[in-house]
Amino acid sequence: DAKTTQPPSMDCAEGRAANLPCNHSTISGNEYVYWYRQIHSQGPQYIIHGLKNNETNEMASLIITEDRKSSTLILPHATLRDTAVYYCIARRGYSTLTFGKGTMLLVSP
Amino acid sequence: GAVVSQHPSWVICKSGTSVKIECRSLDFQATTMFWYRQFPKQSLMLMATSNEGSKATHEQGVEKDKFLINHASLTLSTLTVTSAHPEDSSFYICSAYTSGRAGETQYFGPGTRLLVL
Repeated sequence: DAKTTQPPSMDCAEGRAANLPCNHSTISGNEYVYWYRQIHSQGPQYIIHGLKNNETNEMASLIITEDRKSSTLILPHATLRDTAVYYCIARRGYSTLTFGKGTMLLVSP
Repeated sequence: GAVVSQHPSWVICKSGTSVKIECRSLDFQATTMFWYRQFPKQSLMLMATSNEGSKATHEQGVEKDKFLINHASLTLSTLTVTSAHPEDSSFYICSAYTSGRAGETQYFGPGTRLLVL
């Protein structure tokens, strides 16, 4: 699976949108982009995934560039409970998820 | 989303004893489950892939005779840490695939924190 690159940390004010970038310049055509988050001392939580098109669900939106070399996870109105480590993972089919270091998002009052 | 549970949520044991951790898929059947562990301030590392009715596949560097995995049914996988030592103290997390409208998605349990004294 393609390697992804994320900033180690980001800050966001409560109530504002949090935009988390991810670079996956070597992604192949059949690899999906997955986002998970891990709140301290808990198991990872699935957020969203996509292949080519932008996706939205009740938790977040995923914007994938046309060339698929990067993507952005958007939390539209961040709350304190969104403080977590966010992982962007490129995954093919049934391959296992491989976690990098992710982005530590700190949402402040 | 699909629900994966683990039991116990935390365990403290003496060095040399064995510890069993259960992972259950509560509302779906999982032919494949995964076991990860996470040391403090590090990311999750895959330990093994558990297949229902067959032998598990352990990752390189993970001793299969020390970390025993049994996937006896489509909803239950167990990880047994045999002869645990302090260096086995870690956060153990299981996960499973399920198919849905969004395709194949991997869901994770809440984790089991193991402390070996």
